[in-house]
Amino acid sequence: GAGVSQSPSNKVTEKGKDVELRCDPISGHTALYWYRQSLGQGLEFLIYFQGNSAPDKSGLPSDRFSAERTGGSVSTLTIQRTQQEDSAVYLCASSGRTSGMSRLYNEQFFGPGTRLTVL
Amino acid sequence: GIQVEQSPPDLILQEGANSTLRCNFSDSVNNLQWFHQNPWGQLINLFYIPSGTKQNGRLSATTVATERYSLLYISSSQTTDSGVYFCAANYGGATNKLIFGTGTLLAVQP
Repeated sequence: GAGVSQSPSNKVTEKGKDVELRCDPISGHTALYWYRQSLGQGLEFLIYFQGNSAPDKSGLPSDRFSAERTGGSVSTLTIQRTQQEDSAVYLCASSGRTSGMSRLYNEQFFGPGTRLTVL
Repeated sequence: GIQVEQSPPDLILQEGANSTLRCNFSDSVNNLQWFHQNPWGQLINLFYIPSGTKQNGRLSATTVATERYSLLYISSSQTTDSGVYFCAANYGGATNKLIFGTGTLLAVQP
């Protein structure tokens, strides 16, 4: 597609329920990232996928968070047993691939985000 | 730890005025991007500028990598320029993750 797409755009859930958020990267982009934006923490990195390499999960805040990327394209971020502090906007980004300082590979493009509200 | 700091935190301008937003980063960068977050929350790419100067219409940006700062210039501001401006830096390594500053909230009044 023309840009990064995410679904749903809004999600309201009850505390304790599981949620799945979806990201479709720009076609041909091999790198995919999840970030979240919350009032108290600003924009923070969650997880990074690059091709078939093992993902960098260093930003995931707890073991309730997991993500997978199927077929090197679509990614799903899953939050189990949601808590109120998980309420945030979850943003997905993609880039060509990481290779030195080339803009072609490094510039990240963001989707519109999923606004998650945990009641 | 690695930090990205932006100033000013907020700014109010009259339409037509010019402004300069600053981004300081704590180490040499592999990638530096400027974004505009519009009222609907979408992050719009403005510049990819790890070094040097670029211009795009009324906007321009300069990164002085050796002194670890970047500047975003907005000239002849318009009400549609309102929103939050973020800079974000990638410091290389195994992950291409961006570390974001806290943003500058810009309000352009008619």
